[in-house]
This record gives sequence, C-alpha cells and structure tokens, in this order.
Amino acid sequence: EVQLVQSGAEVKKPGESLKISCKGSGYRFTNFWIGWVRQMPEKGLEWMGIINPSDSDTRYSPSFQGQVTISADKSISTAYLQWSSLKASDTAMYYCATINSGYFDFWGQGTLVTVSS
Amino acid sequence: EIVLTQSPGTLSLSPGERATLSCRASQSISSAYLAWYQQKPGQAPRLLIYGTSSRATGIPDRFSGSGSGTDFTLTISRLEPEDFAVFYCQQYGSSPWTFGQGTKVEIK
Repeated sequence: EVQLVQSGAEVKKPGESLKISCKGSGYRFTNFWIGWVRQMPEKGLEWMGIINPSDSDTRYSPSFQGQVTISADKSISTAYLQWSSLKASDTAMYYCATINSGYFDFWGQGTLVTVSS
Repeated sequence: EIVLTQSPGTLSLSPGERATLSCRASQSISSAYLAWYQQKPGQAPRLLIYGTSSRATGIPDRFSGSGSGTDFTLTISRLEPEDFAVFYCQQYGSSPWTFGQGTKVEIK
C-alpha cells in the first residue's frame, strides 16, 4: 500500500527557518515524482513544485520559485519542503503527493505550518 | 498560466440527486490532462478522475468525468451521504499546473 507520511504540525515565528518532510513507503520511492501543494486557511489548492527523487531534478511554480526549496533523500525515501525565512503569509496546510503523469495520485496527511509572532 | 474556473461555487442538493460540476479553462487543454479531486473537511484531497474520464482506483462508478477543449464536467449520478465535500479540477497539460477554486457540494 502506497503511503506518504508527513512530519507534524509546526508553530514558528516570522523570520525563522523550517524544513518539513514527507516519507514514502509501499512503493519504490524513485519511481514517481513527488509534488507539494499549499492550502491556505479556508482556501483552495496551489501547486508549489515537484521533484524527481531519483536525480533531484526539481521544478517550481513561478509563484513559489525562490520562496521555498524542495529536496529529497532517496536513501531514506523522504522528500522535503523548506523555508529560510518564514512569513505570516506562509501559514497554511502543506501536502505532498506522488505524481503520475502530472496528476496527484497518493497524498500525505498534510502538515500544518503556523507562522505567528 | 491556464486559469480554471469552477461553477457553481456551491451546489445544494439532496442525497440521491444528480450533481453536475463545471470546470472551464482559460485556454484549451488536452483532455488527457484534466483531473478531479474530492476533499472532505480535515482531510487531504483524494484523486477521483484523471485524463478527464478515467476513474482512479477504488472510485465508485457514480462518479464520471467528461469534456474537451476548455469545458469539463464532473458528474455524480446519485449523491450518497459521503459524497458531500469540496471538489477541485486540475490541469496538468501546461506548466504551471493549476487548480480550480473548488465547488462545494452541500446537503440541502
């Protein structure tokens, strides 16, 4: 059974850094790209970017280019989403998901990030 | 960037009724690259339909997708109590991939 398990909720202050994770199991991790999706409170879904775990080839949505960094460690079947300096507007739920030909196939449970002074 | 506009914003229906959700694109999309997701409160989205009309594994056949070009439709033939949720369309034919703003299907 394909599973993506994300790290737990985070509460951070503006300006702090953060790295959240997404661990895959039940399949060969390098077989599928992983994508990240943001959902701000009471809002819709936004595609942030994707990574190929086999070679770390990464693509970003223009809206998120330069704002976040996506990475992966295939040795431990884990993808990451990180911020170097959080803003209040980064408060959101973040989902990882496997990519199959461009659609999001299997989803993680989500990681809630709250940024508040 | 392709903008997806979903309508209506909210659909109020009773169990057993038919639901028809629309997703209109600002530019033509290959029908191979349109997906639909269902999201219930407090849960991650779930893939329902990909390639406009292919049901994902385990999705009941009361869910069906159709369309081409700029106009796509998700139909739920007979609403079950567990179907009430928010539904999103997504195009993945052109980067950046984009989602519609969602249609909420609520119990009347």
